[in-house]
Amino acid sequence: DAKTTQPPSMDCAEGRAANLPCNHSTISGNEYVYWYRQIHSQGPQYIIHGLKNNETNEMASLIITEDRKSSTLILPHATLRDTAVYYCIVLIQGAQKLVFGQGTRLTINP
Amino acid sequence: KAGVTQTPRYLIKTRGQQVTLSCSPISGHRSVSWYQQTPGQGLQFLFEYFSETQRNKGNFPGRFSGRQFSNSRSEMNVSTLELGDSALYLCASSLVGRDTGELFFGEGSRLTVL
Repeated sequence: DAKTTQPPSMDCAEGRAANLPCNHSTISGNEYVYWYRQIHSQGPQYIIHGLKNNETNEMASLIITEDRKSSTLILPHATLRDTAVYYCIVLIQGAQKLVFGQGTRLTINP
Repeated sequence: KAGVTQTPRYLIKTRGQQVTLSCSPISGHRSVSWYQQTPGQGLQFLFEYFSETQRNKGNFPGRFSGRQFSNSRSEMNVSTLELGDSALYLCASSLVGRDTGELFFGEGSRLTVL
């Protein structure tokens, strides 16, 4: 599985958009980009995933660069409940094994 | 529908003992994975079961084992416990299909080894 690089921590003001970057420069053509988050003392929660097109769901948007070497997770209107560790993972289609890095600790400030 | 259920939520054991953790997946989910989370190593994959067969295994010693039953429920066992086995053990289930990276995690079983 490709390695990902994320900033260790970020801060964002409540109500603003939170943009979380992820570098995955060695991603292969058949690897998807997945985002999970883990709120303190809970199990990780799936957020969104994509292959090469931008994706949006009720939780977030995922922007993948044209060369697929990096992506950005966007939480459009961050709330205090979005404070969590966010993990960017690349995964071969059909694989069940998630390889978690250290993630980005996002703190939403009032 | 009900989420992934893990029992027990908390437990304390002493070195040398063994422990069994249980996981009930979301109804209809046939794949169950286990992860260990520690402050030092983060989240690490232990193993994955599908249709009662272990399909993937992480880099853990043989003291860590698991199984899956015909109803997709899974158990993991750790024998001869060591202090370093203190961790949050997370179970995740998923539908096996085209997009299989969407895992649903339980709340975890927090094991403390004294």
